[in-house]
This record gives sequence, C-alpha cells and structure tokens, in this order.
Amino acid sequence: DAEITQSPRHKITETGRQVTLACHQTWNHNNMFWYRQDLGHGLRLIHYSYGVQDTNKGEVSDGYSVSRSNTEDLPLTLESAASSQTSVYFCASSDPGAHSSEQYFGPGTRLTVT
Amino acid sequence: QKEVEQDPGPLSVPEGAIVSLNCTYSNSAFQYFMWYRQYSRKGPELLMYTYSSGNKEDGRFTAQVDKSSKYISLFIRDSQPSDSATYLCAMEERDTGRRALTFGSGTRLQVQP
Repeated sequence: DAEITQSPRHKITETGRQVTLACHQTWNHNNMFWYRQDLGHGLRLIHYSYGVQDTNKGEVSDGYSVSRSNTEDLPLTLESAASSQTSVYFCASSDPGAHSSEQYFGPGTRLTVT
Repeated sequence: QKEVEQDPGPLSVPEGAIVSLNCTYSNSAFQYFMWYRQYSRKGPELLMYTYSSGNKEDGRFTAQVDKSSKYISLFIRDSQPSDSATYLCAMEERDTGRRALTFGSGTRLQVQP
C-alpha cells in the first residue's frame, strides 16, 4: 500500500544546530507540503513543492529550507534551530490531477529545541 | 485577523448527540472546502470535501457551505465516542493555481459514553 512516512518521529536538539526532517511518499504524487502544528494555530504551511526542482515558500518559511531532487522525498531543514521552532511537523502529499485536492499526511515529527 | 477562524473548543457532548462544528473565513477566493479529522498524535485525514455552496452528506456526517456568509459547517449525527478527535476545516483557492490549503486552528471534540 502507498504511504507517506516521516523520520525521525521524535527529535530533541539544541539551539543553533542544523536539523533535517525526512519525508518520503510512495503515492508518486507531484505535490508535497510541510506544515507545523502549534496549539491555537492549527496547521501552518512552511514550504511546498509541485514537482522535482520546484520549491515555494509558505506563510511561515523563515528559518526553514527544502529541496526536491526526486518525486518521493521532500526533506525539511532547519538552518539554525531556535526554541520558537519547537513544534509538531507534518509532511503531506497530493495528486495535482485529482479533483478533491485531498492531502495525505504523514504521522508527524515532534521536534523539541532546547 | 486570520483568514480562517475556528472555535478551538473543547466541545464535550454525550453519546448520541448532534454535533455542529463551524468555520468562518475572509478570503472570497476560496472555492473548495474540506473537513479533516485528526486523532491524538496522528496526522489529519480527509473526512469531507465540498465545492462551492451547498450541502453534502456522507453517512452520519453532513458538510454545509454558505459562500455568501463565508461560513462552513460540519454536522455529526448520533455522535460516537470514536468521533472524539480534533476537526480541522481547510480551504483552497484553486483558480490561482496554488494547491496549498489554508487550515483553521481545529476544534477538539470529546464524545462521552
């Protein structure tokens, strides 16, 4: 069965360190998204990609970067981790040809920056 | 002001009750409206999807969209303890070519047995 996975599931890091969160999907979807989820804010879009070599900034992109070298993966990098980036991060993918825009979400990565 | 407003709850109801969840929005370009359900420590899953104004029913769930009022609702009939979750509304512009969703903050629902 097709799926979307994230790793690690939990991560504790120190302020100032570079951190990379992995996202891998086997749906063969062109569209991939990264969100962060915080209490009171719901899901906020960090970066998104519509295909290989395409990346776009979302509403909360400062301090984050992504790269898309293949269809299956969209890693999210925190250049220099800050305590404000403590959050739960979700990766999602969708089929641009589908009418419904349904996004399939991974299980999330819980990141703590100390 | 956020583009999408949603009461965070928590909303606690007895089993069998009718539940009403709502979102308001300010962006008149939104055309597609969705409800996602998120269980604790899991990723969201699509529950309902509607295009433009009107109603859509799927089993115990009914989604309503009123574009003139910029207001969407999700009704759950005969609520069950297994419906206990956070419900997030989500919206998409589509015409701009931007396929990303704008989410509400989510309403936490607890159905008491």
